[in-house]
Amino acid sequence: DTEVTQTPKHLVMGMTNKKSLKCEQHMGHRAMYWYKQKAKKPPELMFVYSYEKLSINESVPSRFSPECPNSSLLNLHLHALQPEDSALYLCASSQDGSTYQETQYFGPGTRLLVL
Amino acid sequence: KNEVEQSPQNLTAQEGEFITINCSYSVGISALHWLQQHPGGGIVSLFMLSSGKKKHGRLIATINIQEKHSSLHITASHPRDSAVYICAVRLFNHDQFYFGTGTSLTVIP
Repeated sequence: DTEVTQTPKHLVMGMTNKKSLKCEQHMGHRAMYWYKQKAKKPPELMFVYSYEKLSINESVPSRFSPECPNSSLLNLHLHALQPEDSALYLCASSQDGSTYQETQYFGPGTRLLVL
Repeated sequence: KNEVEQSPQNLTAQEGEFITINCSYSVGISALHWLQQHPGGGIVSLFMLSSGKKKHGRLIATINIQEKHSSLHITASHPRDSAVYICAVRLFNHDQFYFGTGTSLTVIP
């Protein structure tokens, strides 16, 4: 199984809502990543978890709150988002993030629209 | 200035043509990845290179570490190759990647 799954596929939310994005992998990977991608732009790294610990937080606003409850799951909790946060949110995983030659496996993404 | 530059930004080709997409970077890297993103979002990792050349089917990727340059070639292109191709580099001793701006390829039947 070399699949990273993400749910939901699409999400529309108001600025006062609280919602969560979910990412799951069963490849035994210990590093998981959240990326944000705006239309026609490359992905931007948001967070990296390595062995369920947050190792990189790329100055992301606190209205995005990541959580890694176990080695297979990665959540992104959303609260009080702004319309400019509308984007494709991609999750990825890799072996453990510590070796230089690792392939990242990407999920299909959640397309988020904030109204 | 981006650490990773790709060219061309957009490319239209006739089916069967040989295609080259270029990636130049300005930082010291431990590995370079070529990624493919189809409309709808999902990203597939095509190649990971730290030296030399790799081939998979009709796709060939090369890297010249001294010149800080990589190319992705597609032989006998097909409409299903239409996608955005992204070059991403991993810095030494870093978990994170720097991404190029992508090359949008359209292959016309």
